[in-house]
Amino acid sequence: QKEVEQDPGPLSVPEGAIVSLNCTYSNSAFQYFMWYRQYSRKGPELLMYTYSSGNKEDGRFTAQVDKSSKYISLFIRDSQPSDSATYLCAFLKGNTPLVFGKGTRLSVIA
Amino acid sequence: DVKVTQSSRYLVKRTGEKVFLECVQDMDHENMFWYRQDPGLGLRLIYFSYDVKMKEKGDIPEGYSVSREKKERFSLILESASTNQTSMYLCASSQQGRLNTEAFFGQGTRLTVV
Repeated sequence: QKEVEQDPGPLSVPEGAIVSLNCTYSNSAFQYFMWYRQYSRKGPELLMYTYSSGNKEDGRFTAQVDKSSKYISLFIRDSQPSDSATYLCAFLKGNTPLVFGKGTRLSVIA
Repeated sequence: DVKVTQSSRYLVKRTGEKVFLECVQDMDHENMFWYRQDPGLGLRLIYFSYDVKMKEKGDIPEGYSVSREKKERFSLILESASTNQTSMYLCASSQQGRLNTEAFFGQGTRLTVV
C-alpha cells in the first residue's frame, strides 16, 4: 500500500463551482497535514495546514482531516480561474522531510 | 519577503557532463532539501540537510551528490548526467526547532540532458 494516494486528475470545473480535492494515507504516525498549491512553472507554496481531525477554514478554502479514516480533503468554494493549479497534499511526522502526494491538476474554466 | 533562489531556470547539458545545481536561501533556515518532480511521479526527495556539512539520502539519491558548506547554500551535483535525469529540480528550505510544516520552494530548474 502506498504511503499517500492522490488522484492526479486533471479536474476541470466551471467558475463558481465547489471543488473537492482528496488524499488518503496509510501512515498513522503522520501528525501534520498540509496542502500546497503549485502554479505552472513555479515552485509549490503552502496553502493550509492542520494538526487535528476536523475542519480549518481560510477564506474560500477549507481543509478537512479525518484521522480515523486516514483521509484529508481540501474544499474550494466559489472557484476562480486563478485557482487553476496543481494541488499537492503533504504529510509530516516528527522532524522528517515532508511526504507529498503526486498532486491533482485543477482547471477552473471561466 | 522570504526567498529560495535557484541559480538557473532552464539548463541543457550533455550526457556524461558533471552538472551543478545551486540553491540559496535568505531565511537562515537550517533545513534544506532537493526534490525532482516528474509527471505522474510527483515530488521525490533526492537529498536533504539539517545543518552545515550534514547530508542525508532521500528516496532517490542514486546518481546524485550534494554539498552544504554554508548554511544558506545547498548544491546538487549530477556526477555524470544521464538522459533519465531530465527533470524539474526543486530546492526547498524550512526552519528547524519548530515543526517544518512550511517548506519554502525555489522556482525550480528544468534540466534537459541530451
